[in-house]
Amino acid sequence: AQKVTQAQTEISVVEKEDVTLDCVYETRDTTYYLFWYKQPPSGELVFLIRRNSFDEQNEISGRYSWNFQKSTSSFNFTITASQVVDSAVYFCALPNSGYALNFGKGTSLLVTP
Amino acid sequence: DTGVSQNPRHKITKRGQNVTFRCDPISEHNRLYWYRQTLGQGPEFLTYFQNEAQLEKSRLLSDRFSAERPKGSFSTLEIQRTEQGDSAMYLCASAPKVRVGEKLFFGSGTQLSVL
Repeated sequence: AQKVTQAQTEISVVEKEDVTLDCVYETRDTTYYLFWYKQPPSGELVFLIRRNSFDEQNEISGRYSWNFQKSTSSFNFTITASQVVDSAVYFCALPNSGYALNFGKGTSLLVTP
Repeated sequence: DTGVSQNPRHKITKRGQNVTFRCDPISEHNRLYWYRQTLGQGPEFLTYFQNEAQLEKSRLLSDRFSAERPKGSFSTLEIQRTEQGDSAMYLCASAPKVRVGEKLFFGSGTQLSVL
């Protein structure tokens, strides 16, 4: 079965600190996609990144970066120089055998000034 | 692109009552999904439509739940004889294409409280 584990329930950092959110996945598929979504207090899930299993290169988008390692089945997310606006719940997700996404339980990030 | 719209934003009901939620996906998106999210948990898949056809249902979708997408545009999710355990955020999402790994666009959800 497709499964995503986000072991960190809550993380609290002070503004400008770097923070890494962990995601470990299980899949029987040889080709798959991985996602990260952000859920701010407003409730709407916002897409951050989609990664194809063929591409293990790390990706950087501004202060955000993602480290994909098939050898350890991990797809970790790092925020550099965190800001208060980064406070949200972050979800890692993996498609199931159909077309729906299976989400992890999420990591709640609190960035304080 | 006006985004996925869900109504109402909040619904409070008494146990045993029926409730209906509406979702308007992004125009021309073929796929429409319903998810449920309880406090401290990730969204859990309930069901999805490709156009008007309901193609997959989760085991979480008990017989008290029914979803429709009559003309392949908006969708409704009805819960009959609500129970306190139905209290949750109900999220709708849509996707433009029929392929695995397509990104989903989510609405802001309907927060249901069953008293």
